[in-house]
Amino acid sequence: RKEVEQDPGPFNVPEGATVAFNCTYSNSASQSFFWYRQDCRKEPKLLMSVYSSGNEDGRFTAQLNRASQYISLLIRDSKLSDSATYLCVVNGDRGSTLGRLYFGRGTQLTVWP
Amino acid sequence: SAVISQKPSRDICQRGTSLTIQCQVDSQVTMMFWYRQQPGQSLTLIATANQGSEATYESGFVIDKFPISRPNLTFSTLTVSNMSPEDSSIYLCSVQQGAYQPQHFGDGTRLSIL
Repeated sequence: RKEVEQDPGPFNVPEGATVAFNCTYSNSASQSFFWYRQDCRKEPKLLMSVYSSGNEDGRFTAQLNRASQYISLLIRDSKLSDSATYLCVVNGDRGSTLGRLYFGRGTQLTVWP
Repeated sequence: SAVISQKPSRDICQRGTSLTIQCQVDSQVTMMFWYRQQPGQSLTLIATANQGSEATYESGFVIDKFPISRPNLTFSTLTVSNMSPEDSSIYLCSVQQGAYQPQHFGDGTRLSIL
């Protein structure tokens, strides 16, 4: 079983739409959660951390459900510049895996005019 | 966050040769990692670069093929040895300041083997 599973996409939405991505993780003891964005042929960049209480950064809202081991990312009022692949990332919890980050395969988003 | 310089940014190499990729950080970092990403695929961790000791390799990756150095807290190298076309990929270094912190990536090295 993979450490992190994501909606494969692709998601194709018009400008202004609201889109949500989901992710599940297998290790119930994981402590840190992140969403990264990766543009085509570029390196992944941190979009936002995900906190237990949920957090918002402008048009982006991240939620964490520890009981269901589920993470989500909501993008409101989509822009053309939001087109990218979104990676769900979870940390290892102990021992040799402490500090290691596990990356999902990513969900591809295309926003069209 | 730290500024990470990775070079070369790209290279085209002949099979059987070796290439060393450098990763320089502008501040001391606790952890450094090397990843590979093939087109359309997710990131695959090659190894954790340990300062002053041998790197910790993931399953499927061995030191003879991917020797790694980390002489200090700001610099690491990854060598791709005896290259074959299957090694064509993007290689990325990343840094992390603590076990629960995010990682930040270099720009990547796009490697093509002829």
